[in-house]
Amino acid sequence: SQTIHQWPATLVQPVGSPLSLECTVEGTSNPNLYWYRQAAGRGLQLLFYSVGIGQISSEVPQNLSASRPQDRQFILSSKKLLLSDSGFYLCAWSVLVSGREKLFFGSGTQLSVL
Amino acid sequence: DAKTTQPPSMDCAEGRAANLPCNHSTISGNEYVYWYRQIHSQGPQYIIHGLKNNETNEMASLIITEDRKSSTLILPHATLRDTAVYYCIVRVAYAGNMLTFGGGTRLMVKP
Repeated sequence: SQTIHQWPATLVQPVGSPLSLECTVEGTSNPNLYWYRQAAGRGLQLLFYSVGIGQISSEVPQNLSASRPQDRQFILSSKKLLLSDSGFYLCAWSVLVSGREKLFFGSGTQLSVL
Repeated sequence: DAKTTQPPSMDCAEGRAANLPCNHSTISGNEYVYWYRQIHSQGPQYIIHGLKNNETNEMASLIITEDRKSSTLILPHATLRDTAVYYCIVRVAYAGNMLTFGGGTRLMVKP
């Protein structure tokens, strides 16, 4: 069965510090991978998605970046965190089967930038 | 992707059916209706999705109107653990397409 691992679960970082959140998927090949962010009390915002190694699409301009060094690894990074980067970050994966696609989410990382 | 409209919140008594509506009047012919839910501080969980016909699985039923401009998610016997934010999304289901979540409906199941 497919599983998605996302870590850490919680993170407290000072303003201006770097960020690296990692996500890995097991049990599937060539998944579509996504990074979402959810601010407190609000809906999910798509940040990045990737359909393959080295292929990254960004949905919103920001000081965050994403990389996909391996087929089942997706990394969210920042060189210098801002206060506004605080939020709940979710990694997700999906596959297309018979014309239907389902999205599966990781457990999330609660990031607090102080 | 077509825009969806959901009530911001609903209450439901434990053991009763919870009926969550969603309007998607601008849905295209090749767009599916998806439902996800998010329990506080957890990642969203897939519930069900459909194109035209009504769908049922172990979690819920999805009723789509004939004109496909609205749908209803039905939790037949709501429990306290069903308290969550429920998101209705319409999108073309092909690889690489983005799934964008709106505000959802906050369902509160009360004893």
